Amino acid sequence: GDSVTQMEGPVTLSEEAFLTINCTYTATGYPSLFWYVQYPGEGLQLLLKATKADDKGSNKGFEATYRKETTSFHLEKGSVQVSDSAVYFCALSSGGYQKVTFGTGTKLQVIP
Amino acid sequence: GAGVSQSPRYKVAKRGQDVALRCDPISGHVSLFWYQQALGQGPEFLTYFQNEAQLDKSGLPSDRFFAERPEGSVSTLKIQRTQQEDSAVYLCASSPRGQNTGELFFGEGSRLTVL
Repeated sequence: GDSVTQMEGPVTLSEEAFLTINCTYTATGYPSLFWYVQYPGEGLQLLLKATKADDKGSNKGFEATYRKETTSFHLEKGSVQVSDSAVYFCALSSGGYQKVTFGTGTKLQVIP
Repeated sequence: GAGVSQSPRYKVAKRGQDVALRCDPISGHVSLFWYQQALGQGPEFLTYFQNEAQLDKSGLPSDRFFAERPEGSVSTLKIQRTQQEDSAVYLCASSPRGQNTGELFFGEGSRLTVL
């Protein structure tokens, strides 16, 4: 079945540091790929998405590129802020109604 | 607000009790999903509705779990004879289309603690 593997956290960075959170996936067919974010005390929300190979999703300074050859969708940000502290979930959707499968989440803490 | 609303936000149940968790999706959203999120884990799929039809219930962990969406809007997840392993956050998500693009709108979840 479909699965998503992402790097374990927590990840602690200083403000303005470079962020990478690794994500790889296993899926049949051609899934769409997502990063969702959960800020403290809030519900999950979509951060960015990519629907086909070589697409780059971007939002709020975050980027991720759909790499079919390496089955990866790594999340990057050039300069993190304290307000980026949250749990980040890599996810994919596939199948007739596009069921979404999530990774286990990576907690990011950014310190001033 | 116009987001997905879930209630109760917190529920404590004694082992063996029945519980019902409610989800009020965004108005007009066709697709509705239930997920279970254990502590420190990602959301795990439970079931999917397209309007009032339950098209996939493959993720329900046992026959103690039951979900319905009788009029194609509000949904209820019911857990009978709760067990300690049922303790988790139950997330509801909706999407505007039947052919879901994977862009889900989540509620804040219902945290169930079974003692």
